[in-house]
Amino acid sequence: EVRLLESGGGLVQPGGSLRLSCAASGFTFSIYAMSWVRQAPGKGLEWVSSFSGRGETTYYAESVKGRFTISRDISNNMVYLQMSSLRAEDTATYYCAKGVVRLREDRGFESWGQGTLVLVSS
Amino acid sequence: QSALTQPASVSGSPGQSITISCTGSDSDVGGYDLVSWYQQYPGKAPKLIIYEVFKRPSGISTRFSGSKSGNTASLTISGLQAEDEADYHCCSFAGDFAFFVFGPGTRVTVL
Repeated sequence: EVRLLESGGGLVQPGGSLRLSCAASGFTFSIYAMSWVRQAPGKGLEWVSSFSGRGETTYYAESVKGRFTISRDISNNMVYLQMSSLRAEDTATYYCAKGVVRLREDRGFESWGQGTLVLVSS
Repeated sequence: QSALTQPASVSGSPGQSITISCTGSDSDVGGYDLVSWYQQYPGKAPKLIIYEVFKRPSGISTRFSGSKSGNTASLTISGLQAEDEADYHCCSFAGDFAFFVFGPGTRVTVL
């Protein structure tokens, strides 16, 4: 059974930094794309970033490019999202998600974690 | 503002069929057969119900079906049930620049 467990959310001041973690289990972590998708309160889903399942390629939404960094630790089946220069509009529940098809990062999101809330406020 | 357009709400009676549209552009929905749909209950994580326009993951009811014509994708729920009352989000791959774009979500109400 695929399990994704996010952690690291919380309250942070504008301009601050936060690192989200996602612990993955139940599948061959190294061959699946891993992504972060966020949802602001009462709003729709927004793709944030993805790590390819075929190598070391990373992808970012324009809204976070240059501020957020996605990384993964294959040995520990972990994916991270380092967030800096946080803004009020980054306030959202952040979901970790697994790719649908092995080695492909363009098919969508098959499994999701329960989410971790990030609140950017002074 | 979402890149894809969905109706804010759709409703139907038990047993009926409803269709949710998802309209994009040549750069996303129309350019790739990589549309996915997600069901989300309030306070819960989304769940994949359709990928690659029409494919169903294992365990997803055959009452859910997907299709695409031009720049518009559609999700049809047949034999509507009370448990189908949820938010439904469409998503499309949009190439190396935008990568993934989502719609704003559609609230389905079972009357």
